[in-house]
Amino acid sequence: GQQLNQSPQSMFIQEGEDVSMNCTSSSIFNTWLWYKQEPGEGPVLLIALYKAGELTSNGRLTAQFGITRKDSFLNISASIPSDVGIYFCAGRGGSEKLVFGKGTKLTVNP
Amino acid sequence: DVKVTQSSRYLVKRTGEKVFLECVQDMDHENMFWYRQDPGLGLRLIYFSYDVKMKEKGDIPEGYSVSREKKERFSLILESASTNQTSMYLCASGLQARGNTGELFFGEGSRLTVL
Repeated sequence: GQQLNQSPQSMFIQEGEDVSMNCTSSSIFNTWLWYKQEPGEGPVLLIALYKAGELTSNGRLTAQFGITRKDSFLNISASIPSDVGIYFCAGRGGSEKLVFGKGTKLTVNP
Repeated sequence: DVKVTQSSRYLVKRTGEKVFLECVQDMDHENMFWYRQDPGLGLRLIYFSYDVKMKEKGDIPEGYSVSREKKERFSLILESASTNQTSMYLCASGLQARGNTGELFFGEGSRLTVL
């Protein structure tokens, strides 16, 4: 099936630092979604993007839908300990299915 | 709030046993999905359903089947569990993408161990 390349695979940062992660695809997507999964829980939606070039913020989180429709990035500013978790990008093309990246595991040291 | 409920958080089964994982959503969503999550592999789609009694294979359907007799309930069945099916199983639901945001809402997951 389709695959998304998500990077980096893991990040170890100090509290207060900014974080950036991204996803790329060989296919064009109509929707990009970013999810966060905390230990022992299911993923929770953070940001949804529906238009090429769209830049959307949710508190300290900012995500963009790439102009080519083949990539998206997520930035977290001024990280705090509760930002730890696994962040997943997901894209949808012309079907009902979402394709997920393999995740970025974020560790924040206080 | 949307709620997706998975019947069991933790299960331990023996090789060859039949396993049922149940998922119920309370938001009248048309679409329901089963994923499995393994370290380093992300979320992989097993099966999905876009209507009652309808099902479609995902990327890794082998060894699994599903049942959707009612709109709110989507069951994943392992006919004869094997050790390589030890994993975290995630159920999700959402509205049809056309004309809607197409977001998925996930349950808390069912961690299955097959001995």
